[in-house]
Amino acid sequence: TQLLEQSPQFLSIQEGENLTVYCNSSSVFSSLQWYRQEPGEGPVLLVTVVTGGEVKKLKRLTFQFGDARKDSSLHITAAQPGDTGLYLCAGSQETSYDKVIFGPGTSLSVIP
Amino acid sequence: EPEVTQTPSHQVTQMGQEVILRCVPISNHLYFYWYRQILGQKVEFLVSFYNNEISEKSEIFDDQFSVERPDGSNFTLKIRSTKLEDSAMYFCASSDWGYGNQPQHFGDGTRLSIL
Repeated sequence: TQLLEQSPQFLSIQEGENLTVYCNSSSVFSSLQWYRQEPGEGPVLLVTVVTGGEVKKLKRLTFQFGDARKDSSLHITAAQPGDTGLYLCAGSQETSYDKVIFGPGTSLSVIP
Repeated sequence: EPEVTQTPSHQVTQMGQEVILRCVPISNHLYFYWYRQILGQKVEFLVSFYNNEISEKSEIFDDQFSVERPDGSNFTLKIRSTKLEDSAMYFCASSDWGYGNQPQHFGDGTRLSIL
């Protein structure tokens, strides 16, 4: 089963706090992507990680791909209200490159 | 910035009727995808399409579903005989290359409501 799990499901924090959300699977993925989705809109790609152990930074967001390519994390430093949204991880496997599996998402709310 | 556009934004259809959802992918992209998102649930892969053929499909994409690229710009999803459980947001996406790790650009979706 190519299941992607995300935790926590919901997160509500104060502006300026740091947070980490997680994406886990029992399967190996050839790549993982992180998307952000706003209500009524389609997902918007934030980053793709491909190599085990890879770390990518996007301003205050840091993404890490696990060494075994089964998990990933997204860390946000000094969260802003504009970071509020649904964060989705998604991945594809070497056996089905064009089939992208999405996790259920972490709904983040940053309170001013 | 080029974007994926989907029409209509909301489609209301009687159960059993056929529905066609339309997408205009980004013009130089070669890979096209359909996803659905049932209210409150995760985004689910339906199908990927390349070189006028389906390259991958999920178990959701049964004989009631079909995709077509009727001309050089449109990419359509047809549901032949809609069921209540087909009610969902349907997202189209495109990428300039495949292999899943290429950036996929999503449209804003069509909300399909089956009565």
